[in-house]
Amino acid sequence: NAGVTQTPKFRILKIGQSMTLQCTQDMNHNYMYWYRQDPGMGLKLIYYSVGAGITDKGEVPNGYNVSRSTTEDFPLRLELAAPSQTSVYFCASSSGDFNQPQHFGDGTRLSIL
Amino acid sequence: KQEVTQIPAALSVPEGENLVLNCSFTDSAIYNLQWFRQDPGKGLTSLLLIQSSQREQTSGRLNASLDKSSGRSTLYIAASQPGDSATYLCARRSGGYQKVTFGTGTKLQVIP
Repeated sequence: NAGVTQTPKFRILKIGQSMTLQCTQDMNHNYMYWYRQDPGMGLKLIYYSVGAGITDKGEVPNGYNVSRSTTEDFPLRLELAAPSQTSVYFCASSSGDFNQPQHFGDGTRLSIL
Repeated sequence: KQEVTQIPAALSVPEGENLVLNCSFTDSAIYNLQWFRQDPGKGLTSLLLIQSSQREQTSGRLNASLDKSSGRSTLYIAASQPGDSATYLCARRSGGYQKVTFGTGTKLQVIP
């Protein structure tokens, strides 16, 4: 039971570089989410998707982009990395029943120097 | 602004003690309240989800309650064990795919 898989687990970037954080789920969930978690702060929603081809901004979308070409995959792209984007990034998925829990990946720890 | 607050931020208890973790929220228009566990370097694992029509949910040694009128939820852990050491987060869904607000968590340490 893989659930939600995120790659890579760790990454160090230089300011101005770009990268894509990968997320895939095998539960056939329509809803997928990207969060960031900063020390001492709650998780903040970056982007979410309600199905293939449909994405929308969350609370903190600036500096990020997403796409959803398949049900399984929901990559998050950082175009011009900035130190403020140093964080732990979590991908999550859920079914259409909001009284079912969200399932989370193990996270990607990203440092931008 | 809709907020979710968890106090205390950290808690240390001896093994075997019963304990209560608190979660308070400012918006009573709640759809459900979820408790998660987060181990170091790991993602969030769902423990219990309480729907707005429910007062409590139980799973093993865990019991979560919800009081919408006072804007509070509690997670009760009975007979704590060292393996319960983790950070516990609550999250309130107020409707809509994106409207899940997370608390900052309580870091629990159970001392053998």
